[in-house]
Amino acid sequence: QSVLTQPPSASGTPGQKVTISCSGSSSDFGSRRVNWFQHLPGTAPKLLIYSDYQRPSGVPDRFSGSKSGASASLAISGLQSEDEADYYCAAWDGRFHAWVFGGGTKLTVL
Amino acid sequence: EVELLESGGTLVQPGGSLRLSCAASGLTFSNSAMCWVRQVPGKGLEWVSGISDSSIYTFYAESVKGRFAISRDNFNNMLYLQMSRLRADDTAIYYCAAYVDGSMGHYWGQGTLVTVSS
Repeated sequence: QSVLTQPPSASGTPGQKVTISCSGSSSDFGSRRVNWFQHLPGTAPKLLIYSDYQRPSGVPDRFSGSKSGASASLAISGLQSEDEADYYCAAWDGRFHAWVFGGGTKLTVL
Repeated sequence: EVELLESGGTLVQPGGSLRLSCAASGLTFSNSAMCWVRQVPGKGLEWVSGISDSSIYTFYAESVKGRFAISRDNFNNMLYLQMSRLRADDTAIYYCAAYVDGSMGHYWGQGTLVTVSS
């Protein structure tokens, strides 16, 4: 099964821009659509970005997604204290017919 | 407003069985692919199983293949996960989630806790 690699942690100060990366291990990662989720333990995960860069209604435009080659990124601009959470990327692995999550990145707002 | 409500989580002994349920409202359930995702305490999210809108296709993570079975009842807007031969490493919060146009996780429930322990 393919692996999605995220940095375990990231941090920033209020107002800053933070970028979280998600690297794919398979050669076809570039053709997969990547979703990004925000998760506070004990609560329902929240979809932030789907299909690489699409933003669901209700998600602030401070959150943006991009992908280039074997890496996808989630950028959070104008960082706020409420953004402190775990962030996960996920993509469909067509060979194994399964969605794969990255290991998650814990974002700390200093 | 879309609402997904999981139930059925409890303490179960290793080797035991359990069925989780997810009641859906606020969406055209019969047109929505669905899935189960779990989170082991202190660990990351893991996709467990998915099912197409008409139940024709079902998919499983390698870690649960042959032990778990996903199903749905489109008449009653219900999603199920039948879990058998449970192991300690199946202990987790189990979330149900809805797809939109093939994209996983547009809507989520609050989760139900399954604890496998003797």
